[in-house]
Amino acid sequence: GAGVSQSPSNKVTEKGKDVELRCDPISGHTALYWYRQSLGQGLEFLIYFQGNSAPDKSGLPSDRFSAERTGGSVSTLTIQRTQQEDSAVYLCASSKYSNQPQHFGDGTRLSIL
Amino acid sequence: GESVGLHLPTLSVQEGDNSIINCAYSNSASDYFIWYKQESGKGPQFIIDIRSNMDKRQGQRVTVLLNKTVKHLSLQIAATQPGDSAVYFCAENDDYKLSFGAGTTVTVRA
Repeated sequence: GAGVSQSPSNKVTEKGKDVELRCDPISGHTALYWYRQSLGQGLEFLIYFQGNSAPDKSGLPSDRFSAERTGGSVSTLTIQRTQQEDSAVYLCASSKYSNQPQHFGDGTRLSIL
Repeated sequence: GESVGLHLPTLSVQEGDNSIINCAYSNSASDYFIWYKQESGKGPQFIIDIRSNMDKRQGQRVTVLLNKTVKHLSLQIAATQPGDSAVYFCAENDDYKLSFGAGTTVTVRA
């Protein structure tokens, strides 16, 4: 299983709760990305990590969203005080370098009640 | 990428025929493009990529054509199979951020 692994695959939570989504990139990939795909929409860039450089957080929709990447490997995306408009599929991707193909996990389907 | 003119949101193709999926991109400075296939409940799956110094690239049963003059990409699938039914996205790589087109849903008729 050498692909990008995301957990949980599905998450249902009540409005106002915090959620944490996890991504395990492909081993050896230096770059890691988070995207969001809302129903019937294309993919929206959220955040990018490259090695030890400061992440590009320009796509995060609000300050309720944050992400970290520990040890240059696993990443977690945290959404605080969830809102109904946060309902979407959150996709993680990794690539060997930033100018190489990005390979995606199957995402976490987040539903806010 | 965005869809202008040539993009069709859906494509129905007879099994065994060739499929052509079109995509227009927006940034003339983009130098790297990727096609993805997304099946229901799955993440986008890499199909093939092309850099701006090429006009054509071939893979297994797939060919990507790039026309930089009109900012247009196409994906050709030879001998389309039922397993090719999915949503296909083109993406342009803006530095490291991917901008995705609207997607084309391909349905293969038996």
